[in-house]
Amino acid sequence: AQSVAQPEDQVNVAEGNPLTVKCTYSVSGNPYLFWYVQYPNRGLQFLLKYITGDNLVKGSYGFEAEFNKSQTSFHLKKPSALVSDSALYFCAVRDPTDKLIFGTGTRLQVFP
Amino acid sequence: DAGVIQSPRHEVTEMGQEVTLRCKPISGHDYLFWYRQTMMRGLELLIYFNNNVPIDDSGMPEDRFSAKMPNASFSTLKIQPSEPRDSAVYFCASSFPGQGFMNTEAFFGQGTRLTVV
Repeated sequence: AQSVAQPEDQVNVAEGNPLTVKCTYSVSGNPYLFWYVQYPNRGLQFLLKYITGDNLVKGSYGFEAEFNKSQTSFHLKKPSALVSDSALYFCAVRDPTDKLIFGTGTRLQVFP
Repeated sequence: DAGVIQSPRHEVTEMGQEVTLRCKPISGHDYLFWYRQTMMRGLELLIYFNNNVPIDDSGMPEDRFSAKMPNASFSTLKIQPSEPRDSAVYFCASSFPGQGFMNTEAFFGQGTRLTVV
């Protein structure tokens, strides 16, 4: 079965430091991978996606993600964290049946 | 386009009552997804539609839950009878198809916060 794993419930980082939020996936065929962010009392907002092409994908708000096929990973990164980046982050995969499956989410806390 | 529109934003109901959640997807999107978000279970996919036809409803927790999509611009999720454990935030999302499409990301509504007392 297709699945997405986010091994960390929470990631803490100081403002200005680089951040990484981890995601691994399991899907048959070519993976379509996504990152979303959720701010309190809001819906999920699309950040970036990997469909094909370059393994390093750039998205909104300075975020990027690296697709690694051999490690089946799609980690979210940002070179310099902001306090305003604090939110809940979800990794997702779209499987060959077009089902869109989300990970359990990782809470990012950026401290001033 | 105004995005995915869900109504109501908040719903408080008594146990045993029928609850209907509504969703208007983005015009032109072929797919519509219903999710439930709770602290314990995270974001669960309940059911999804392609061109108004339900494709996979294996995530619907019980027979008390039902979903319909009578046309391309409207979907409902109904709970009858409602129970306190149904309290959650329910999200609707819509998208173009996945495979073979570049614009394949889903767009989410603001959600309906359901409280069953």
